[in-house]
Amino acid sequence: AIQLTQSPSSLSASVGDRVTITCRASQDCSIDLAWYQQKSGGPPRLLIFDASSLQNGVPSRFSGSGSGTEFTLTVSSLQPEDFGIYYCQQFNQYPLTFGAGTRVEIK
Amino acid sequence: QVQLRESGPALVKPSQALSLTCNVSGVSVNNGQYYWSWIRQHPGKDLEWIGYIYYTGKTYYNPSLKSRLTMSVDRSQSHFSLNLNSVTAADTAVYYCARSIGLRYFFDIWGQGAPVTVSS
Repeated sequence: AIQLTQSPSSLSASVGDRVTITCRASQDCSIDLAWYQQKSGGPPRLLIFDASSLQNGVPSRFSGSGSGTEFTLTVSSLQPEDFGIYYCQQFNQYPLTFGAGTRVEIK
Repeated sequence: QVQLRESGPALVKPSQALSLTCNVSGVSVNNGQYYWSWIRQHPGKDLEWIGYIYYTGKTYYNPSLKSRLTMSVDRSQSHFSLNLNSVTAADTAVYYCARSIGLRYFFDIWGQGAPVTVSS
């Protein structure tokens, strides 16, 4: 199975900061990678698919990049509602797998 | 508006079977554009994909669970189901159903989740 390693595991940032989360894959995933945001008590919410495509309704401050084994999620200007846990997921190979998550806290 | 909703017992005894149903509204489970998955989240927050089912009954199971797992789809009632046999405490998790589009296996719609505890 493809292992996904996210870094950092947690971060604390101020409103307005630029935040970047990295997801590294143990094998080539092409661009078959998605990013999700999860808030306490709720299901994950799709933010980005195909590594860089923004899901409908997701604010444009979220962006994704990368291909192969290294991917990044960037929040260009962190907002108070952006707290939560962010997960990457690969869909290049079965079984589908997720990263362990990055917890984002607002200072 | 497409909605998914999980239902089933919140407590299951060890060695018994865990059965959950996902009711689909706002779109037909017979729509050939979509695949229907189960995903679980353990108490430590790790997400694990369990498997998917297509409206034809075609399935793909995570090899880690394959020997204990059965999924089914009820096209007339527009729901799909999960049955996991011989459960242990390691199966304690929040179970989500989710939709993916075609062969692009990322998940655009999720249910709210059903917490399941395995305990005697």
